[in-house]
Formats: sequence, C-alpha cells, structure tokens
Amino acid sequence: DTAVSQTPKYLVTQMGNDKSIKCEQNLGHDTMYWYKQDSKKFLKIMFSYNNKELIINETVPNRFSPKSPDKAHLNLHINSLELGDSAVYFCASSNRPNYGYTFGSGTRLTVV
Amino acid sequence: KNEVEQSPQNLTAQEGEFITINCSYSVGISALHWLQQHPGGGIVSLFMLSSGKKKHGRLIATINIQEKHSSLHITASHPRDSAVYICAPDNTDKLIFGTGTRLQVFP
Repeated sequence: DTAVSQTPKYLVTQMGNDKSIKCEQNLGHDTMYWYKQDSKKFLKIMFSYNNKELIINETVPNRFSPKSPDKAHLNLHINSLELGDSAVYFCASSNRPNYGYTFGSGTRLTVV
Repeated sequence: KNEVEQSPQNLTAQEGEFITINCSYSVGISALHWLQQHPGGGIVSLFMLSSGKKKHGRLIATINIQEKHSSLHITASHPRDSAVYICAPDNTDKLIFGTGTRLQVFP
C-alpha cells in the first residue's frame, strides 16, 4: 500500500524527447512537491502544489511543466530533454504546516 | 555561504558508537526536518522539530531555534544505520536541504 508512488522508476531517453513522470499519493495530503536531486546528491525543490494550485515554481526552465489534475496527483512533463536534466526526481506530499513529508521512491532520469 | 550547513560531510563509525550530526541554518524556519536516504535512494522522514527534542528508538533530534542549530544523534549505532542524513529547514513554503552527511557504520 504505497503512500506516494512514482512511475516510472527508471527512464532512459534521448536528447530532444518529451517525457512524463507520474506521481500519486493516497495519504489525503493537501500539498505535493517535485524535487530534483543532482549528480552531487543535492536536493532542491522544483514545484509545489496545494489543492491543485501552483504555490512554488523555483526558477525551473519552461520545458518543465507540472500538472495536478486533482490533489492526489502531481505529474511532471519535460519537453525537449537535455543532458543536464539527468537526475533523480522525487515526488513528495505533506499536510502543511505541521506535518512531515512523505517521499516517493524517486525516478532516475538519464538523458543520452 | 550556504543557507544550510551540515557537519561532518562524511562519518565512519564502529558498531555501537554514539553518532552526532550537526546542522546550522541561516534562514527563518517554521520547523526543521531530518531525512534519511538509504543507498537504494529512497528518502524517509525521521523527525520534524520546531523546538526542543524528539526521540524515536535510538535516534534523538534536538533544535535550538535561537542559535539556529540542530543535531541528530544515533545511540548504539548499527551497520543498518549506514545512509545519508539530510537536514532540511522548512522555510514556510518549502524545504531547504543541507548537503547531507554520509554515515558508514562498520561491524
């Protein structure tokens, strides 16, 4: 019974392609996030959504577009993939402000 | 200077040792989180603190809001504690992550 599930777990694709990563949470949390972990293992927020509304958009290229059809889902679509997009992308959810975060298992994206 | 500084960056211990990981931050926070990332890559939330001290099993986390400092302690460390531990102050709307402390505990 996975609380925050991401698919796919691994994604290998060529430069220039468009890809999507899906995230679903069954915790009833109001807020969902996308984080990027680079090759040096440093985590940084990309987006957050609260009840389907965009709250944070952290200087992410326009090629990245999050979509939240409902508060249980937050998908990440990436256009025109570049080598520098290779990273692990984590989805997470929380019931702010007084609750902890639950993370998905991550999606390792490799752009070749 | 980074908004979140963790020390040490790497830590090696023998099984049974007492471990301390430190975190200093410069931003205003509503809470501070300690996260654990295992070699397999998954991230688990260990603690959320806004004041004082919390204990869960062999793990203890403390925070001093005035000094903008938090510590994570592991008592009687075990090889299964080997992981990266990440301090993440919650800056109202978002987490700001430290660079992590890589802990290896040897039998």
